[in-house]
Amino acid sequence: SQELEQSPQSLIVQEGKNLTINCTSSKTLYGLYWYKQKYGEGLIFLMMLQKGGEEKSHEKITAKLDEKKQQSSLHITASQPSHAGIYLCGADGARRGGADGLTFGKGTHLIIQP
Amino acid sequence: NAGVTQTPKFRVLKTGQSMTLLCAQDMNHEYMYWYRQDPGMGLRLIHYSVGEGTTAKGEVPDGYNVSRLKKQNFLLGLESAAPSQTSVYFCASRGTPKTQYFGPGTRLLVL
Repeated sequence: SQELEQSPQSLIVQEGKNLTINCTSSKTLYGLYWYKQKYGEGLIFLMMLQKGGEEKSHEKITAKLDEKKQQSSLHITASQPSHAGIYLCGADGARRGGADGLTFGKGTHLIIQP
Repeated sequence: NAGVTQTPKFRVLKTGQSMTLLCAQDMNHEYMYWYRQDPGMGLRLIHYSVGEGTTAKGEVPDGYNVSRLKKQNFLLGLESAAPSQTSVYFCASRGTPKTQYFGPGTRLLVL
């Protein structure tokens, strides 16, 4: 089965600083999803990556999938208090075109210090 | 659009009691999923459905049953709750492209 390892597990960053979260897979990634979860709430979809070398950006968040499709990174530029939360990466299952749900990493807890 | 909604938001059960969690989506999505989220374990798939009238087992299906009688609804049942089922339960639905959209979650405490 596929396993996703996220690093770091937790991160404390001063407001305005940049940061990077990594997600590494034990197998080739066919679809990689980034979600954000505020404490006590549901998951909010951020971005999806499918192709090797793909990069997507939304506001101050950029996600990349490496050429070998086994590692993804999420980069936040000039962090703000609104970026605080838990960031989760999820990967498509290899069966049935990914219809059988996502496998998730354990998440990265991000705290932004004023 | 409400997206994905879940009821109830919070519930306390005694060991052995039964309950049903309801998930509803208004996006006409074919695929629906139930996950549980536990500290240190991340999100794990319980059951899923690829269409009305179909269900399939995920990673941790024991102790749960599901039904998808209507396309917009996906029910998760606990026939005899156990303390190990204390968790936060999330429902999700998937459309095209293959993005899953999550509900707000149900917090379940089994005493």
